[in-house]
Amino acid sequence: QITLKESGPTLVKPTQTLTLTCTFSGFSLSTSGVGVGWIRQPPGKALEWLALIYWDDDKRYSPSLKSRLTITKDTSKNQVVLTMTNMDPVDTATYYCAHTGIAAADYWGQGTLVTVSS
Amino acid sequence: EIVLTQSPGTLSLSPGERATLSCRASQSVSSSYLAWYQQKPGQAPRLLIYGASSRATGIPDRFSGSGSGTDFTLTISRLEPEDFAVYYCQQYGSSPGTFGQGTRLEIK
Repeated sequence: QITLKESGPTLVKPTQTLTLTCTFSGFSLSTSGVGVGWIRQPPGKALEWLALIYWDDDKRYSPSLKSRLTITKDTSKNQVVLTMTNMDPVDTATYYCAHTGIAAADYWGQGTLVTVSS
Repeated sequence: EIVLTQSPGTLSLSPGERATLSCRASQSVSSSYLAWYQQKPGQAPRLLIYGASSRATGIPDRFSGSGSGTDFTLTISRLEPEDFAVYYCQQYGSSPGTFGQGTRLEIK
């Protein structure tokens, strides 16, 4: 049974750096073809892919946010960490992590709402 | 970056009717790496269709996907009350992938 859960601060101040952790179980991020990605959704708006890391440590970022994002993995801890620098109120959103394979994003975490406000 | 445009923005139908949702890409989607998701209020998205036409595990056969290249369709053959939600298409052939803006399926 695959599960994922996001954790991190619920409130950050403008210009701060956000660090989110995705802790998962039921699969290994050292298995060929497997990836874990981060997606966000501002309140009432559409989904937006942020970043994706694969089993071989290949990393992909949204072109529009690439300069602000870093994604890393700790295979031994079954965790993927996303950092986003220079947070702004427009970054207020629910942040999801998801398992990806040949079947797109087939398992999702419950999401965590991050509010950016002073 | 591939831009996905979904239409219509809102679709008003009654239970039992057929729903047809469209997703058009700004350039060809590699190897039909096109997925559809359903999202209900307060919930994470749920994968319905991947590879343009393959149903995900546990998805009822009233949901079907079709298309290739730049034009894709999600069809719900006979709407059930639980199908009223927001639907997103996503291309994942060009990593990390992009989503459409969504189609809201509402009860008429």
